[in-house]
Amino acid sequence: AQKVTQAQTEISVVEKEDVTLDCVYETRDTTYYLFWYKQPPSGELVFLIRRNSFDEQNEISGRYSWNFQKSTSSFNFTITASQVVDSAVYFCALTSTDSWGKFQFGAGTQVVVTP
Amino acid sequence: EPEVTQTPSHQVTQMGQEVILRCVPISNHLYFYWYRQILGQKVEFLVSFYNNEISEKSEIFDDQFSVERPDGSNFTLKIRSTKLEDSAMYFCASSEADETQYFGPGTRLLVL
Repeated sequence: AQKVTQAQTEISVVEKEDVTLDCVYETRDTTYYLFWYKQPPSGELVFLIRRNSFDEQNEISGRYSWNFQKSTSSFNFTITASQVVDSAVYFCALTSTDSWGKFQFGAGTQVVVTP
Repeated sequence: EPEVTQTPSHQVTQMGQEVILRCVPISNHLYFYWYRQILGQKVEFLVSFYNNEISEKSEIFDDQFSVERPDGSNFTLKIRSTKLEDSAMYFCASSEADETQYFGPGTRLLVL
């Protein structure tokens, strides 16, 4: 069975602070993909990043960075120098060979950035 | 940039009525999905569709639900007899291969 845990329900920061969102996953498969999606107040789901289980390289994209650690089954997401536009719910998701295409989402973390 | 579109953006219906939610996936994508998100909760998988048939479905996707690709561009979700608990945001998604899914803006369904 697959499971994604986002233990942080809500994180509030002041603009320009860094914020790290935790994601812990469980799967028995050795081949899997992890994702992060952003859901702004308008409601759509915006794809941010995909990582496969064989690529543990960390990634940076502008103010966003991701830390993938198989040893701790974690795929954490950091927003550096947060901005008000980063206010959204962020979801971590997992799919694996057990059921490709069936995304298991975490509960989401609400990020509130105040000026 | 190509995107998934969904219509309508909002739908209000009476309990027991049938609703059809429509989606136009990204044109070169082969895999299609429906998810739902009850207000304030996580996104839940409903069904995946490939090569004109259902690949996988969740426990939520019971006999009241059906999906169809009636032509080369549309992908629909039908709920035959809506219940109050069907009120949710319904997301359509598509993917080129069985990996990154791109989501539409959602249809907010309210069952009264």
